[in-house]
Amino acid sequence: GAVVSQHPSRVICKSGTSVKIECRSLDFQATTMFWYRQFPKQSLMLMATSNEGSKATYEQGVEKDKFLINHASLTLSTLTVTSAHPEDSSFYICSARGRVFGTINYEQYFGPGTRLTVT
Amino acid sequence: QKEVEQDPGPLSVPEGAIVSLNCTYSNSAFQYFMWYRQYSRKGPELLMYTYSSGNKEDGRFTAQVDKSSKYISLFIRDSQPSDSATYLCAMKAAAGNKLTFGGGTRVLVKP
Repeated sequence: GAVVSQHPSRVICKSGTSVKIECRSLDFQATTMFWYRQFPKQSLMLMATSNEGSKATYEQGVEKDKFLINHASLTLSTLTVTSAHPEDSSFYICSARGRVFGTINYEQYFGPGTRLTVT
Repeated sequence: QKEVEQDPGPLSVPEGAIVSLNCTYSNSAFQYFMWYRQYSRKGPELLMYTYSSGNKEDGRFTAQVDKSSKYISLFIRDSQPSDSATYLCAMKAAAGNKLTFGGGTRVLVKP
């Protein structure tokens, strides 16, 4: 139980285009979802937190107009990287927490990540 | 100074040895402590989750928290080559959702 999926697992796009990454909780209701980015050999850096049906809360230094987050349902959140540039190339990972097997669970369950390469 | 410090390694051990990992932190508000395992190009997998000080054991894994020293540890007994991965510590205050991660320690278990 408590499985989180991401799609796509890998994407290559040209500079200036936009890319959408999906994060789904497969077997539980995710009341809160988190988006992280991870550069090679570095740790995870939280980008934003989103609660279902509310606007996302962005961490300091993260451009909300560049990284659009939508959390429209209890099982789906999307991250759209708008006008992507090579410096946006990174590993993007989502996590989710919520009701697992009917019980509120405070642990975060991570997706497998999406590797974005902007050429 | 980072809020959470973790030696990046790599830590190389022979198969069957005990792997010892640790993190130090500076924020006394942290109450929840977690260890994640991350294989290359994969998302982190939760291994251990502890609240406040004390020890917790789960199979081959033992987590220790010493809040007075702001120091947490993870021990892996009878290590296997499949344990080769990066291990991340993470911490959370009582209020809020934000996890603060250490930089991760890369572990290599040699057959």
